[in-house]
Amino acid sequence: QSVLTQAPSVSAAPGQKVTISCSGSSSNIGNDYVAWYQQLPGAAPKLLIYDNVKRPSGIPDRFSGSKSGTSATLGITGLQTGDEADYYCGTWDSRLSAAVFGGGTKLTVL
Amino acid sequence: QVHLVESGGGVVQPGRSLRLSCGASGFTFTSHSMHWARQAPGKGLEWVTVISYDGKNKYYADSVKGRFTISRDNSKNTLSLQMNGLTAEDTAVYYCARGGGATTYLDYWGQGTLVTVSS
Repeated sequence: QSVLTQAPSVSAAPGQKVTISCSGSSSNIGNDYVAWYQQLPGAAPKLLIYDNVKRPSGIPDRFSGSKSGTSATLGITGLQTGDEADYYCGTWDSRLSAAVFGGGTKLTVL
Repeated sequence: QVHLVESGGGVVQPGRSLRLSCGASGFTFTSHSMHWARQAPGKGLEWVTVISYDGKNKYYADSVKGRFTISRDNSKNTLSLQMNGLTAEDTAVYYCARGGGATTYLDYWGQGTLVTVSS
Protein backbone atom coordinates (compact mmCIF):
# COMPACT_ATOMS: atom_id res chain seq x y z
CA GLN A 1 0.00 0.00 0.00
CA SER A 2 1.69 3.19 -1.22
CA VAL A 3 1.50 6.45 0.70
CA LEU A 4 0.67 8.22 -2.57
CA THR A 5 -2.30 6.90 -4.53
CA GLN A 6 -2.33 6.53 -8.30
CA ALA A 7 -4.74 4.77 -10.62
CA PRO A 8 -3.16 1.47 -11.79
CA SER A 9 -3.73 2.15 -15.46
CA VAL A 10 -4.91 4.67 -18.01
CA SER A 11 -5.28 4.51 -21.77
CA ALA A 12 -5.83 6.88 -24.64
CA ALA A 13 -5.43 7.04 -28.40
CA PRO A 14 -2.42 8.48 -30.22
CA GLY A 15 -2.59 12.25 -30.47
CA GLN A 16 -4.96 12.55 -27.54
CA LYS A 17 -4.35 14.00 -24.09
CA VAL A 18 -4.22 12.07 -20.82
CA THR A 19 -3.93 13.06 -17.17
CA ILE A 20 -2.48 10.95 -14.38
CA SER A 21 -3.37 11.84 -10.82
CA CYS A 22 -1.50 11.38 -7.57
CA SER A 23 -3.28 11.76 -4.26
CA GLY A 24 -1.56 12.23 -0.91
CA SER A 25 -1.98 14.02 2.37
CA SER A 26 -0.94 17.09 4.32
CA SER A 27 2.32 15.45 5.38
CA ASN A 28 3.53 14.79 1.85
CA ILE A 29 2.04 16.44 -1.25
CA GLY A 30 0.36 19.10 0.88
CA ASN A 31 3.69 20.00 2.43
CA ASP A 32 6.31 19.60 -0.32
CA TYR A 33 7.02 19.63 -4.01
CA VAL A 34 6.06 16.77 -6.32
CA ALA A 35 8.14 15.04 -8.98
CA TRP A 36 7.06 12.70 -11.77
CA TYR A 37 9.07 9.86 -13.28
CA GLN A 38 8.68 7.87 -16.47
CA GLN A 39 9.82 4.27 -16.62
CA LEU A 40 9.86 2.74 -20.08
CA PRO A 41 9.72 -1.07 -20.28
CA GLY A 42 13.00 -2.60 -19.15
CA ALA A 43 14.60 0.77 -18.37
CA ALA A 44 15.51 2.79 -15.31
CA PRO A 45 13.18 5.57 -14.19
CA LYS A 46 13.68 9.01 -15.70
CA LEU A 47 12.77 12.37 -14.19
CA LEU A 48 9.96 14.08 -16.12
CA ILE A 49 8.73 16.86 -13.81
CA TYR A 50 10.16 18.35 -10.63
CA ASP A 51 9.06 21.07 -8.22
CA ASN A 52 5.46 20.41 -9.29
CA VAL A 53 5.70 22.06 -12.70
CA LYS A 54 9.31 22.24 -13.94
CA ARG A 55 10.68 20.16 -16.79
CA PRO A 56 14.33 19.05 -16.92
CA SER A 57 16.26 19.95 -20.01
CA GLY A 58 15.28 17.69 -22.90
CA ILE A 59 11.77 16.88 -21.69
CA PRO A 60 9.25 18.07 -24.30
CA ASP A 61 6.53 20.51 -23.34
CA ARG A 62 3.95 17.82 -24.10
CA PHE A 63 4.55 16.84 -20.49
CA SER A 64 3.23 19.14 -17.76
CA GLY A 65 2.66 19.01 -14.03
CA SER A 66 0.37 20.71 -11.59
CA LYS A 67 -0.47 20.54 -7.92
CA SER A 68 -3.46 21.57 -5.85
CA GLY A 69 -3.69 20.93 -2.13
CA THR A 70 -2.87 17.30 -1.49
CA SER A 71 -3.09 16.13 -5.10
CA ALA A 72 -0.87 16.42 -8.15
CA THR A 73 -1.45 15.77 -11.82
CA LEU A 74 0.74 14.84 -14.75
CA GLY A 75 -0.57 15.81 -18.17
CA ILE A 76 0.61 14.42 -21.47
CA THR A 77 -0.62 15.87 -24.76
CA GLY A 78 -0.13 14.64 -28.30
CA LEU A 79 0.24 11.05 -27.12
CA GLN A 80 2.74 8.87 -28.95
CA THR A 81 3.22 5.12 -28.83
CA GLY A 82 6.64 5.82 -27.34
CA ASP A 83 4.92 7.31 -24.29
CA GLU A 84 3.74 3.86 -23.22
CA ALA A 85 5.37 3.47 -19.83
CA ASP A 86 4.82 3.41 -16.10
CA TYR A 87 4.54 6.83 -14.47
CA TYR A 88 5.29 7.48 -10.81
CA CYS A 89 4.79 10.50 -8.60
CA GLY A 90 7.11 11.16 -5.68
CA THR A 91 7.69 13.59 -2.85
CA TRP A 92 8.97 13.85 0.73
CA ASP A 93 6.78 12.85 3.65
CA SER A 94 7.52 14.95 6.74
CA ARG A 95 5.68 12.59 9.09
CA LEU A 96 7.65 9.55 7.90
CA SER A 97 10.89 11.50 7.33
CA ALA A 98 11.15 9.55 4.12
CA ALA A 99 10.73 9.98 0.40
CA VAL A 100 7.65 8.28 -1.00
CA PHE A 101 6.48 7.15 -4.42
CA GLY A 102 3.03 6.47 -5.76
CA GLY A 103 2.15 2.95 -6.81
CA GLY A 104 2.57 3.86 -10.46
CA THR A 105 0.20 4.25 -13.41
CA LYS A 106 0.64 2.19 -16.55
CA LEU A 107 -0.11 4.25 -19.65
CA THR A 108 -1.30 2.41 -22.74
CA VAL A 109 -1.50 4.28 -26.03
CA LEU A 110 -4.06 2.37 -28.05
CA GLN B 1 27.38 13.81 -18.56
CA VAL B 2 26.09 12.34 -15.32
CA HIS B 3 26.85 8.65 -15.01
CA LEU B 4 25.86 6.33 -12.17
CA VAL B 5 26.92 2.69 -12.18
CA GLU B 6 25.73 0.23 -9.57
CA SER B 7 27.56 -2.97 -8.71
CA GLY B 8 27.52 -5.70 -6.10
CA GLY B 9 24.20 -7.36 -6.80
CA GLY B 10 23.76 -11.09 -6.93
CA VAL B 11 22.13 -14.06 -5.25
CA VAL B 12 22.35 -14.23 -1.46
CA GLN B 13 20.82 -16.53 1.12
CA PRO B 14 18.21 -15.25 3.58
CA GLY B 15 19.77 -13.72 6.67
CA ARG B 16 23.04 -12.97 4.94
CA SER B 17 24.57 -9.62 4.00
CA LEU B 18 25.43 -7.86 0.78
CA ARG B 19 27.09 -4.54 -0.03
CA LEU B 20 26.14 -2.51 -3.08
CA SER B 21 28.25 0.23 -4.58
CA CYS B 22 27.51 3.08 -6.95
CA GLY B 23 30.23 4.88 -8.86
CA ALA B 24 29.41 8.45 -9.84
CA SER B 25 30.95 10.62 -12.54
CA GLY B 26 30.19 13.66 -14.65
CA PHE B 27 29.14 15.96 -11.82
CA THR B 28 30.35 17.39 -8.53
CA PHE B 29 29.58 14.49 -6.23
CA THR B 30 30.02 16.52 -3.05
CA SER B 31 27.23 18.91 -4.08
CA HIS B 32 24.42 16.37 -4.14
CA SER B 33 22.50 14.12 -1.83
CA MET B 34 22.32 10.53 -3.06
CA HIS B 35 19.51 8.00 -2.89
CA TRP B 36 18.89 4.30 -3.21
CA ALA B 37 15.54 3.10 -4.51
CA ARG B 38 14.43 -0.40 -5.41
CA GLN B 39 11.90 -2.22 -7.51
CA ALA B 40 10.76 -5.76 -6.78
CA PRO B 41 10.02 -7.90 -9.85
CA GLY B 42 6.82 -6.71 -11.48
CA LYS B 43 6.20 -4.13 -8.74
CA GLY B 44 6.44 -0.37 -8.37
CA LEU B 45 9.25 1.82 -7.15
CA GLU B 46 10.14 1.88 -3.47
CA TRP B 47 12.40 4.52 -2.00
CA VAL B 48 15.03 3.02 0.32
CA THR B 49 17.36 5.65 1.75
CA VAL B 50 19.08 8.99 1.23
CA ILE B 51 22.34 10.50 2.43
CA SER B 52 23.12 14.20 2.46
CA TYR B 53 25.94 15.69 0.39
CA ASP B 54 28.31 15.66 3.37
CA GLY B 55 27.22 12.30 4.77
CA LYS B 56 25.94 13.80 7.99
CA ASN B 57 22.23 13.16 7.49
CA LYS B 58 20.69 9.84 6.57
CA TYR B 59 17.08 8.73 6.31
CA TYR B 60 15.64 5.28 5.74
CA ALA B 61 12.38 3.64 4.76
CA ASP B 62 10.78 1.80 7.66
CA SER B 63 11.12 -1.46 5.73
CA VAL B 64 14.94 -1.33 5.91
CA LYS B 65 15.59 0.72 9.05
CA GLY B 66 18.04 -1.03 11.34
CA ARG B 67 19.15 -3.46 8.64
CA PHE B 68 20.51 -1.25 5.84
CA THR B 69 23.19 1.43 6.11
CA ILE B 70 23.95 4.05 3.50
CA SER B 71 27.36 5.66 3.26
CA ARG B 72 29.45 7.67 0.85
CA ASP B 73 33.11 8.27 0.13
CA ASN B 74 33.39 11.75 -1.31
CA SER B 75 37.08 11.25 -2.05
CA LYS B 76 36.20 8.38 -4.40
CA ASN B 77 32.81 9.58 -5.70
CA THR B 78 31.27 6.39 -4.42
CA LEU B 79 27.96 5.60 -2.73
CA SER B 80 27.41 2.37 -0.82
CA LEU B 81 24.54 0.40 0.68
CA GLN B 82 25.30 -2.22 3.31
CA MET B 83 22.40 -4.65 3.54
CA ASN B 84 22.18 -7.00 6.51
CA GLY B 85 19.57 -9.54 7.54
CA LEU B 86 18.27 -9.91 4.01
CA THR B 87 14.90 -11.51 3.40
CA ALA B 88 13.01 -12.58 0.29
CA GLU B 89 11.14 -9.26 0.46
CA ASP B 90 14.42 -7.48 -0.29
CA THR B 91 14.64 -9.13 -3.71
CA ALA B 92 14.63 -6.25 -6.19
CA VAL B 93 16.56 -4.19 -8.67
CA TYR B 94 18.40 -1.55 -6.65
CA TYR B 95 18.90 1.86 -8.22
CA CYS B 96 21.35 4.54 -7.22
CA ALA B 97 20.04 8.03 -7.95
CA ARG B 98 21.24 11.59 -7.56
CA GLY B 99 19.31 14.08 -5.47
CA GLY B 100 18.34 16.95 -7.71
CA GLY B 101 18.34 19.98 -5.49
CA ALA B 102 16.85 21.61 -2.44
CA THR B 103 13.62 19.70 -2.88
CA THR B 104 13.22 15.94 -3.02
CA TYR B 105 13.56 14.69 -6.54
CA LEU B 106 15.88 12.15 -8.11
CA ASP B 107 17.20 13.62 -11.31
CA TYR B 108 19.58 10.94 -12.58
CA TRP B 109 19.33 7.19 -12.09
CA GLY B 110 21.71 4.34 -12.67
CA GLN B 111 20.71 1.24 -14.59
CA GLY B 112 20.29 -0.79 -11.42
CA THR B 113 21.70 -3.98 -9.97
CA LEU B 114 19.61 -7.05 -9.19
CA VAL B 115 19.62 -8.52 -5.70
CA THR B 116 17.99 -11.91 -5.29
CA VAL B 117 17.50 -13.32 -1.81
CA SER B 118 16.93 -17.03 -2.05
CA SER B 119 18.06 -20.25 -0.45
